Amino acid sequence: AQSVTQPDIHITVSEGASLELRCNYSYGATPYLFWYVQSPGQGLQLLLKYFSGDTLVQGIKGFEAEFKRSQSSFNLRKPSVHWSDAAEYFCAVGVWSMKTSYDKVIFGPGTSLSVIP
Amino acid sequence: DAGITQSPRHKVTETGTPVTLRCHQTENHRYMYWYRQDPGHGLRLIHYSYGVKDTDKGEVSDGYSVSRSKTEDFLLTLESATSSQTSVYFCAISGGQGIEAFFGQGTRLTVV
Repeated sequence: AQSVTQPDIHITVSEGASLELRCNYSYGATPYLFWYVQSPGQGLQLLLKYFSGDTLVQGIKGFEAEFKRSQSSFNLRKPSVHWSDAAEYFCAVGVWSMKTSYDKVIFGPGTSLSVIP
Repeated sequence: DAGITQSPRHKVTETGTPVTLRCHQTENHRYMYWYRQDPGHGLRLIHYSYGVKDTDKGEVSDGYSVSRSKTEDFLLTLESATSSQTSVYFCAISGGQGIEAFFGQGTRLTVV
């Protein structure tokens, strides 16, 4: 079965420090991959996505992610964290449904990021 | 922002009562989804729709039903609410294969 794991439930970093959030997936083919961010009490906003091509993708708010097929990973990075980055981050994978010829999106459990001023 | 509206935004209901949540979109997207969000579980897919009157179950569909009679509306019904269905429910829409989903603001449901 398809699944997404995010090994870190909670991460705390100092403002200005670099950030890496880990994501691993289980899927038999090349997936579509996403990172979403959720601020408290809000819906989810797309940070970036990978469909094909260049394995290093750039997103909004200075985030980037790298797809590594050999490791089944899609880690999110930011070189310098701002206090406003404190939020919940979700990795997600798009999986193919033969029944409906459609991709469902499966989410990981999320990583909560705290930023120390 | 994608045009997605969820109603109500907050609801408290009693165990055993039916509850219907509504998702309305103005984007004319084919695909619509209902997720629930619970601490430690991320977002789990309840049901989804790939067209008018075309729906299918997700990973946590027990106790829920859906209907889609128009492109713009996707209804989620809790047939007989239980305390385990206390959660935040998100509706999402997507234009198709590989295209990211856009989310509504969520509905906080409390079953007492």
